[in-house]
Amino acid sequence: QVELQQQGAGLLTPSETLSLTCVVSRGSFNAYYWTWIRQPPGKGLEWIGEIDYSGSINYNPSLKGRVTISVEASKKQFSLNLTSVTAAETGVYFCARGKKGGYSGYGTALFFDYWGLGTQVTVSS
Amino acid sequence: DIQMTQSPSTLSAFVGDRVTITCRASQNIGSYLNWYQQKPGKAPNLLIYSASSLHSGVPSRFSGSGSGTDFTLTISSLRPEDFATYYCQQSYNSPRTFGQGTRVETK
Repeated sequence: QVELQQQGAGLLTPSETLSLTCVVSRGSFNAYYWTWIRQPPGKGLEWIGEIDYSGSINYNPSLKGRVTISVEASKKQFSLNLTSVTAAETGVYFCARGKKGGYSGYGTALFFDYWGLGTQVTVSS
Repeated sequence: DIQMTQSPSTLSAFVGDRVTITCRASQNIGSYLNWYQQKPGKAPNLLIYSASSLHSGVPSRFSGSGSGTDFTLTISSLRPEDFATYYCQQSYNSPRTFGQGTRVETK
């Protein structure tokens, strides 16, 4: 059974940088897209971005250049950095495995079949 | 961005009821539509991918249908453990987007 274990600090002050890491165990690393998704309290899910083992990356344009996702395939881990966080970015941050579900013509279709437990991130002064 | 709209936002039902949740995309997404179940304090779980394919280990009372812009998730006979929030997600292009969620609560 694939496991995704999340690591990183959960309490930040405004303007700081959020840094989280997700370590993958018991499964292949190279065949998937590794993804970050967040959820504000009481609200829905927002896709942050994804990376594959080779470093091919896709970000949500709404994050306007503040986000960086990186991968260390040899360690089967990937990371999220989000700079200049605000209180509005408080919520639970999930890492997830994106499995290929075909090619739409506009990119690789993914569905998220394994998820980390989530990290509560609170941004407060 | 492709907007995903679910209806209803909240659904009240009894155990044993047949439940249908609708998801509409703002443009044609073919069959690139996935469904997830989320319980409070937990990560989402994949139920259905590519509109109608049942994910491994998911009970057969869950089914998905649709293509283009209109999709449905059906629970044929609601069980107590099915009270949760359900999300659709389009995988047609980036950014990947989710519906706002449908909460299924006990009537």
